[in-house]
Amino acid sequence: DAGVTQSPTHLIKTRGQQVTLRCSPKSGHDTVSWYQQALGQGPQFIFQYYEEEERQRGNFPDRFSGHQFPNYSSELNVNALLLGDSALYLCASSLGQPTGGYTFGSGTRLTVV
Amino acid sequence: GQQLNQSPQSMFIQEGEDVSMNCTSSSIFNTWLWYKQDPGEGPVLLIALYKAGELTSNGRLTAQFGITRKDSFLNISASIPSDVGIYFCAGFTGTASKLTFGTGTRLQVTL
Repeated sequence: DAGVTQSPTHLIKTRGQQVTLRCSPKSGHDTVSWYQQALGQGPQFIFQYYEEEERQRGNFPDRFSGHQFPNYSSELNVNALLLGDSALYLCASSLGQPTGGYTFGSGTRLTVV
Repeated sequence: GQQLNQSPQSMFIQEGEDVSMNCTSSSIFNTWLWYKQDPGEGPVLLIALYKAGELTSNGRLTAQFGITRKDSFLNISASIPSDVGIYFCAGFTGTASKLTFGTGTRLQVTL
């Protein structure tokens, strides 16, 4: 049973560019959340998607946007990249309300130069 | 964004020793979770706690949901080298959508 899969694993982009990160949730899960983890910090909530709609959003600018597809997979898009966007981006999935916690993927390491 | 405060930030211990770490918040949480993160990996759930005062074990790990609902504790008994990693507390307030993470405790075990 595949867990949460994310692609790509590593990415280098230049300031001002745009990036798209992809996530396939664990089989049977319908809710996808995205987190940003800066070096030496805990993950920070970006937003959550359920039934192809953004259900909740953290304190991130509009440069961060997302999408959920009918098969529950999700994309995170970041426009006008800044050096400070360099981080590990984690995707987490759950079935409905995740009272038992999320299942996380291994993340995409984004470096902005 | 808001983060929970964890202490200690890091610790070196010898194999076989017991470890204690804690997590505090200024807000009340309805659910407390403890995750472990290895280098290059995402966090993996260790223990979930659902009500104040609850004490739950998972092998050598024991966690408690504080009575005030503003803190939680994790103990690891008889540490082994594979316990090395970063331990994060996390919690839900109100509706269980946004998970708030702690600042992390880095554990290093020496033989």
